[in-house]
Amino acid sequence: NAGVMQNPRHLVRRRGQEARLRCSPMKGHSHVYWYRQLPEEGLKFMVYLQKENIIDESGMPKERFSAEFPKEGPSILRIQQVVRGDSAAYFCASSPSGYEQYFGPGTRLTVT
Amino acid sequence: GIQVEQSPPDLILQEGANSTLRCNFSDSVNNLQWFHQNPWGQLINLFYIPSGTKQNGRLSATTVATERYSLLYISSSQTTDSGVYFCAVSPWGNQFYFGTGTSLTVIP
Repeated sequence: NAGVMQNPRHLVRRRGQEARLRCSPMKGHSHVYWYRQLPEEGLKFMVYLQKENIIDESGMPKERFSAEFPKEGPSILRIQQVVRGDSAAYFCASSPSGYEQYFGPGTRLTVT
Repeated sequence: GIQVEQSPPDLILQEGANSTLRCNFSDSVNNLQWFHQNPWGQLINLFYIPSGTKQNGRLSATTVATERYSLLYISSSQTTDSGVYFCAVSPWGNQFYFGTGTSLTVIP
């Protein structure tokens, strides 16, 4: 059973561009979570999704950030008009039940 | 949200030594996991342990949910144990609240 997959692993964007981060959960997992990790810090929750539904987006900035988990295909975290402060590692986790979470390798976003 | 405190923040060990990492949390939780973030940044699941005790090789963990803390024991440490250890808790099946981690360095 393949683990959680994220791509790209590294992404460089200029200020003002869009960033799209993809997450494919483990087979049989219908719960997906996105977290952000700033340098030297712990992970901070952003959003929790199940297929086609956003369950909790309380950790997501109100502007420029959006997330989806369509019926088919990976979950997407989208950041519009990126700024330098968006530079971070973005981790996706999946769960079969909403309890134990399994993390992907992360996407390192650098905004220049 | 729930406050999660981990101690010590930094730890340096000689290879072969034992250590105990602590995680205190401020409210009742249904989920608790320990992770190891290796030097390449990857998060590795160590234990899913909302209560009780588990062991996996040189690692073991105990959670006393009624007293709101968990302990991670590392015995006979190896250089590959280096990295940051995170405790994460959740009151229900939603977001995890992460501690700020314990940075472990094992020297040969």
